[in-house]
Amino acid sequence: QLQLQESGPGLVKPSETLSLTCTVSGGSISSRDYYWGWIRQPPGKGLEWIGSIYYSGSTYYNPSLKSRVTISVDTSKNQFSLKLSSVTAADTAVYYCATLPAAVMTPDAWGQGTLVTVSS
Amino acid sequence: QSVLTQPPSVSATPGQKVTISCSGSSFNIANNYVSWYQQLPGTAPKLLIYENNKRPSGIPDRFSGSKSGTSATLGITGLQTGDEADYYCGTWDSSLSAGVFGTGTKVNVV
Repeated sequence: QLQLQESGPGLVKPSETLSLTCTVSGGSISSRDYYWGWIRQPPGKGLEWIGSIYYSGSTYYNPSLKSRVTISVDTSKNQFSLKLSSVTAADTAVYYCATLPAAVMTPDAWGQGTLVTVSS
Repeated sequence: QSVLTQPPSVSATPGQKVTISCSGSSFNIANNYVSWYQQLPGTAPKLLIYENNKRPSGIPDRFSGSKSGTSATLGITGLQTGDEADYYCGTWDSSLSAGVFGTGTKVNVV
């Protein structure tokens, strides 16, 4: 069974770039059955889909975040990563990585999540 | 702002049934699979329903999903105190070429 674990800084300064990595275990990130995605949840608020990537590098991004988001995949490390540039306090959230079966493109397995706070 | 609309909260007593609606459009729910998630306080969302009405292994049959047109519904029967949580619907939006989630519904077991 696929398991995911987010890692990265818990505190980022305004205007800087947020960087997170998701490590996949229990399966290969090169699987043709899955996309790999990022979702976030601001404190006390709902879920927001950030974007997803296929092992080949093909990506889909939330249009509202597209200008600031980059998702990449490293098949040699079985990891995929998120970069969100020019962050503000509004980007403070719990960030989750997840698997998205290619046939449905909605998350099934989720990481435990990591809180990223944007503050000086 | 979420593309999919859910009621903010629903309440019922133990043993009763609740239903949660998820309203969308032809770009999302009507033409794509819907999933439902349960989020207990302080934890990551957990998949309850996928492909509109299928339950992953380990999810009791008290949870059910259905879809009709531009709306989907989650049903919970035999409500338990442990079902108190936030519930979200999710699907793909073909117009946005992105995933979308519902606004979320808090289930209160009173």
